[in-house]
Amino acid sequence: GAVVSQHPSWVICKSGTSVKIECRSLDFQATTMFWYRQFPKQSLMLMATSNEGSKATYEQGVEKDKFLINHASLTLSTLTVTSAHPEDSSFYICSARDGGSRTDTQYFGPGTRLTVL
Amino acid sequence: GNSVTQMEGPVTLSEEAFLTINCTYTATGYPSLFWYVQYPGEGLQLLLKATKADDKGSNKGFEATYRKETTSFHLEKGSVQVSDSAVYFCALSGGTSYGKLTFGQGTILTVHP
Repeated sequence: GAVVSQHPSWVICKSGTSVKIECRSLDFQATTMFWYRQFPKQSLMLMATSNEGSKATYEQGVEKDKFLINHASLTLSTLTVTSAHPEDSSFYICSARDGGSRTDTQYFGPGTRLTVL
Repeated sequence: GNSVTQMEGPVTLSEEAFLTINCTYTATGYPSLFWYVQYPGEGLQLLLKATKADDKGSNKGFEATYRKETTSFHLEKGSVQVSDSAVYFCALSGGTSYGKLTFGQGTILTVHP
């Protein structure tokens, strides 16, 4: 089945620093990737939609200068949390849609736990 | 816009009990419906899906039927196991937001031996 990986699985950083999270589709080409944020015991909140070779589309209320998304290839998207603050601490999850599939199924990565001190 | 409503949890059951987690949706057109499961500390895994009315998705003993007349996609399992303890999310894709998933709030399931 389709596999999506994320790196790192967890990261701790100091306030004011930037953190980059990678999302890779391992066995398929992902024309579209999605980035979600999940707070403890809550549902997933879609942050942005990332299309290969074009600018990401951000959901209302998500700061695009704060959360930089790059989708440089069909297998890699990155999320950079710039000038991180403690309120950015969360579980970040990416998903990818198989561009070669006729279905709209999304495959999820295992998530990245970000803790900002 | 699209929306998904799940029954509130947490749900606590004994092993071998019958499970139902209700899910209803609002969407225009013909959305695809999904159940995802999230085990502790992990990302989401697709459990099952249905892409058109009256389709039944099934996997690992779980089933859900796409009911357009009642706009529902309830998750059922005849006999739960301790290993089924997880958070279950109902979701839809399509309607007014093609390609984007709209999630329900999630239902925590705990199964005791």
